[in-house]
Amino acid sequence: AQKVTQAQTEISVVEKEDVTLDCVYETRDTTYYLFWYKQPPSGELVFLIRRNSFDEQNEISGRYSWNFQKSTSSFNFTITASQVVDSAVYFCALTTGGFKTIFGAGTRLFVKA
Amino acid sequence: DAGVIQSPRHEVTEMGQEVTLRCKPISGHNSLFWYRQTMMRGLELLIYFNNNVPIDDSGMPEDRFSAKMPNASFSTLKIQPSEPRDSAVYFCASSLFTGPIDTQYFGPGTRLTVL
Repeated sequence: AQKVTQAQTEISVVEKEDVTLDCVYETRDTTYYLFWYKQPPSGELVFLIRRNSFDEQNEISGRYSWNFQKSTSSFNFTITASQVVDSAVYFCALTTGGFKTIFGAGTRLFVKA
Repeated sequence: DAGVIQSPRHEVTEMGQEVTLRCKPISGHNSLFWYRQTMMRGLELLIYFNNNVPIDDSGMPEDRFSAKMPNASFSTLKIQPSEPRDSAVYFCASSLFTGPIDTQYFGPGTRLTVL
């Protein structure tokens, strides 16, 4: 069975702090994709990144970085020098076998000025 | 380019009424998904279409829910009759499935309140 666990329900930081959002997944499939989505207060879901199971390279995009470790089944997301605009709910998701996507429960991030 | 378009953005109705939610996927995408988001259950996949054909509707909660995709640029999700427990945000997402895995792009959602 597939499962995505985001153990952090809410995180509160002060602007300019770094913050890491944890994601742990479970799957028996050898081919799978992992995603992060952002849901700002306006409600839409914004795609951030996709990573396949054969590519463990970490990725950096501006202030965002992602650390994928198959050995620990984790795909963590770090925001460096957080800003108020980063306040949102962040979802980690797992897709195996084509289309079935399982979302984690989400982590609500508050960034205070 | 326009993203996924959903209408209405907000819907308030009374129990027992029929509700129809609409979705226009991104042009050229061949897959369409309907999700429901609630505080208790998070994001749940309701139904998935590929090339306008329903592939998996195992997430549709009960017979009161139905979805159609008459063409590549339009889909509806209908609830009849609606109940208060159907109150949620309903998202439509689309993707260009070229195998093995696709990236889904979400619409802004429809917030449904059933009184």
